[in-house]
Amino acid sequence: GEDVEQSLFLSVREGDSSVINCTYTDSSSTYLYWYKQEPGAGLQLLTYIFSNMDMKQDQRLTVLLNKKDKHLSLRIADTQTGDSAIYFCAEKEGNNNDMRFGAGTRLTVKP
Amino acid sequence: EPEVTQTPSHQVTQMGQEVILRCVPISNHLYFYWYRQILGQKVEFLVSFYNNEISEKSEIFDDQFSVERPDGSNFTLKIRSTKLEDSAMYFCASDSPPGADTQYFGPGTRLTVL
Repeated sequence: GEDVEQSLFLSVREGDSSVINCTYTDSSSTYLYWYKQEPGAGLQLLTYIFSNMDMKQDQRLTVLLNKKDKHLSLRIADTQTGDSAIYFCAEKEGNNNDMRFGAGTRLTVKP
Repeated sequence: EPEVTQTPSHQVTQMGQEVILRCVPISNHLYFYWYRQILGQKVEFLVSFYNNEISEKSEIFDDQFSVERPDGSNFTLKIRSTKLEDSAMYFCASDSPPGADTQYFGPGTRLTVL
């Protein structure tokens, strides 16, 4: 079946950039999302990108989409300790209502 | 900023009991969803709801599950006879396509079945 894959862990130093990667298999994905989950909290929508775009920037966040390779990345510039969380990649086909999530990447930011 | 709210934040129940998880979606949204996340596992889609009926459901959403929009603001998930494996975080979400087509999630209800 269709799947979304992410590496499980990433550790960076405060002030460095973080890059979280995601691959997906469904070529009909229309929307791709990044959600953040802090400990004990719900899913916070960080940003999203349409499949006809290859980049989107929003303050410290940059999303890159390589549709040919079905690869999505989230870059966090100047990573802060408050960025420590689990980051979920998700994709959705335009005609469907369900989103498919990756397993999440746990980002640890060290001071 | 409007947000999705869920109650309770934590529900503990005995196996075989019925539970109702409650959600208040964002007020002008038209599509509603339930997802679950078993501890340490992926977030999984359960069901979507539009125009007072289920529009899609996954294999997980069997006859033990039901959803309802009993009034203009609440959206509920009922599990008729809970099993141990129903223990999970249950997330409600809402959106209002067409447009950004983004789902906004509630904080979740942690269901523990003993």
